[in-house]
Amino acid sequence: SQTIHQWPATLVQPVGSPLSLECTVEGTSNPNLYWYRQAAGRGLQLLFYSVGIGQISSEVPQNLSASRPQDRQFILSSKKLLLSDSGFYLCAWSVPPQKGEQYFGPGTRLTVT
Amino acid sequence: DQQVKQNSPSLSVQEGRISILNCDYTNSMFDYFLWYKKYPAEGPTFLISISSIKDKNEDGRFTVFLNKSAKHLSLHIVPSQPGDSAVYFCAASAFSGSRLTFGEGTQLTVNP
Repeated sequence: SQTIHQWPATLVQPVGSPLSLECTVEGTSNPNLYWYRQAAGRGLQLLFYSVGIGQISSEVPQNLSASRPQDRQFILSSKKLLLSDSGFYLCAWSVPPQKGEQYFGPGTRLTVT
Repeated sequence: DQQVKQNSPSLSVQEGRISILNCDYTNSMFDYFLWYKKYPAEGPTFLISISSIKDKNEDGRFTVFLNKSAKHLSLHIVPSQPGDSAVYFCAASAFSGSRLTFGEGTQLTVNP
């Protein structure tokens, strides 16, 4: 069966520090991968998605970047965090060409102080 | 531009009664709709979906209704249980790809 992992579960970082969040998927090949953010009291905002290794599409211009160095690995990064980067970050996967269900990881709670 | 809207941020119902969660969309290209359930500090879990070729899909206590002319869908939970208390997200996708557009979510509270 498929499993998605995210780490760390929680993170407290000072403003201006770098960020690296990692997501890995097991049990499937060539998944589409996604990064979402849920700000406090808000819905899910799609940040990045990837249909293959090295292929990244950005949905919202911002302080973050994403990379997919391996088929089942998706990394969210920042060189310098802002206070507004605080939120709950979720990684998700789906199996193309399926246009429906995405399956989410447990999330990372990021607090920028 | 919020293409998927859930206008009720919260809903409170009694255990055993029906919960009705609503969702509206504006993009006519959407043809697949999903509901997700999310507990605090966890990722959303897929609940139920419906294709635009149908107007109803049922799975146990959960039924999703789609009204394409009104660009409206709803999730019915009958009977509601305290364990159903969570945030429910409506999502939609278009034939052009697998990207989902989410609504803002509705916090459902089922009181014992």
